[in-house]
Amino acid sequence: GAVVSQHPSWVICKSGTSVKIECRSLDFQATTMFWYRQFPKQSLMLMATSNEGSKATYEQGVEKDKFLINHASLTLSTLTVTSAHPEDSSFYICSANKNTGELFFGEGSRLTVL
Amino acid sequence: AQSVTQLGSHVSVSEGALVLLRCNYSSSVPPYLFWYVQYPNQGLQLLLKYTTGATLVKGINGFEAEFKKSETSFHLTKPSAHMSDAAEYFCAVGGGFNSGNTPLVFGKGTRLSVIA
Repeated sequence: GAVVSQHPSWVICKSGTSVKIECRSLDFQATTMFWYRQFPKQSLMLMATSNEGSKATYEQGVEKDKFLINHASLTLSTLTVTSAHPEDSSFYICSANKNTGELFFGEGSRLTVL
Repeated sequence: AQSVTQLGSHVSVSEGALVLLRCNYSSSVPPYLFWYVQYPNQGLQLLLKYTTGATLVKGINGFEAEFKKSETSFHLTKPSAHMSDAAEYFCAVGGGFNSGNTPLVFGKGTRLSVIA
């Protein structure tokens, strides 16, 4: 079964609103989680590294004030897309390491901004 | 720094034919290598991984891959394609042992089509 769960799987929102996506490790603790973004027919691009109890580390070109990441517990990281616009429409995927050298991925969250 | 190159953005094979998806990597440290499959509008599913030890790695659904250090390659193969294998395949490289705090670097993906 899934060891990393994302919610929601699908979300449609109006332009200017904020959307929160959750990423949970179900049966292990993850001090580090990663958030990726995937545009249609493209690969996964790392957005940020989420660290439990500290600030996230963002990749170059990713607006930290627009993509707010909170890793408040060892099993939960959240990504909030603030003031979403149509160009933010994408597939967002999180992953977490189970300390076995393997990353487990969530099911992904499809965001559509109208 | 690490990088992954997947040769061929789209591969088409007949049902029952050999599947070969190519992946070359670059890494300054001994790499961990992964192949993931993604079906439309879904997340990633791990097919197989190479960390250390045996260089021929067997995964799920009959797939296997061989780590060739001299060629910096990790090509994915399956002897006989099935219609259900049609999907997007991603090769990825990680930082190796104790790399829990480093993300994977993905190739651009190869879309596999299987023709009946």
